[in-house]
Amino acid sequence: DAKTTQPTSMDCAEGRAANLPCNHSTISGNEYVYWYRQIHSQGPQYIIHGLKNNETNEMASLIITEDRKSSTLILPHATLRDTAVYYCIVRVRTNAGKSTFGDGTTLTVKP
Amino acid sequence: NAGVTQTPKFRILKIGQSMTLQCAQDMNHNYMYWYRQDPGMGLKLIYYSVGAGITDKGEVPNGYNVSRSTTEDFPLRLELAAPSQTSVYFCASSSFDPGQDTDTQYFGPGTRLTVL
Repeated sequence: DAKTTQPTSMDCAEGRAANLPCNHSTISGNEYVYWYRQIHSQGPQYIIHGLKNNETNEMASLIITEDRKSSTLILPHATLRDTAVYYCIVRVRTNAGKSTFGDGTTLTVKP
Repeated sequence: NAGVTQTPKFRILKIGQSMTLQCAQDMNHNYMYWYRQDPGMGLKLIYYSVGAGITDKGEVPNGYNVSRSTTEDFPLRLELAAPSQTSVYFCASSSFDPGQDTDTQYFGPGTRLTVL
C-alpha cells in the first residue's frame, strides 16, 4: 500500500467547509483512496473512496488530483459533530481489504 | 442489524493471565479483522480472516491468536498478557465482491484492555 502524509491537526469554523489534504505521491494505478474518521475513540467510520474521479456522497466530497498524487476530503458545512481524527488510506482492492491506518489528521470544529 | 459487536467493553488483566476478546457480525461479511490502537496512534492490523477456517497475520500478530470457525464470529485470544498489550482493540468486517464498487470496513465499538 502507498504511504500517505496528512497534517497532524487542523481547525475549522462551524458552518464553513473543512478541507483535509492527503499526499500519496507513490500511489499505484490500481490503488484507491479511502477516507475514514474516528470520533472520540469510537470505531472508525467509512466516509468515501475513489480511484480517479471526484466523488460525492451525503457525508463529503473527495477531490483527487489528475496525477493522483494527492487528494482532498471536503466536508461542505462542518458541524461540531465532525470533530474527529480523519484517516486517508491508499490501497488496492485485493481479496482482503485490510487497511493501513496512519496517525491521521485531528480536525477540530470550533463554534 | 446490530452490525459488529464486541465484548467485553472494558477489561483489566494481570500480567500472565489469558483472555478472549469476542467479535461477532450479522452482515454475512466474509472478511473480518482485528486491530489495536495505542493512545494517540493509528490502528495496527493484528490478524485478519477472508472466510471461515482461513486466517492470516497482520502487522503486529505476536502475542495473539485467532480462529474463525463460523462466518459470524472472529475471537482474538491473548495467551500470556503483557503490559505492552494495553490498548484498545477494534474488530471490523467487510464484504469484498469484485462486481461491486465497495469493500467498506465496518468497525465495532472496541474493547479497552489494561494489563497491570
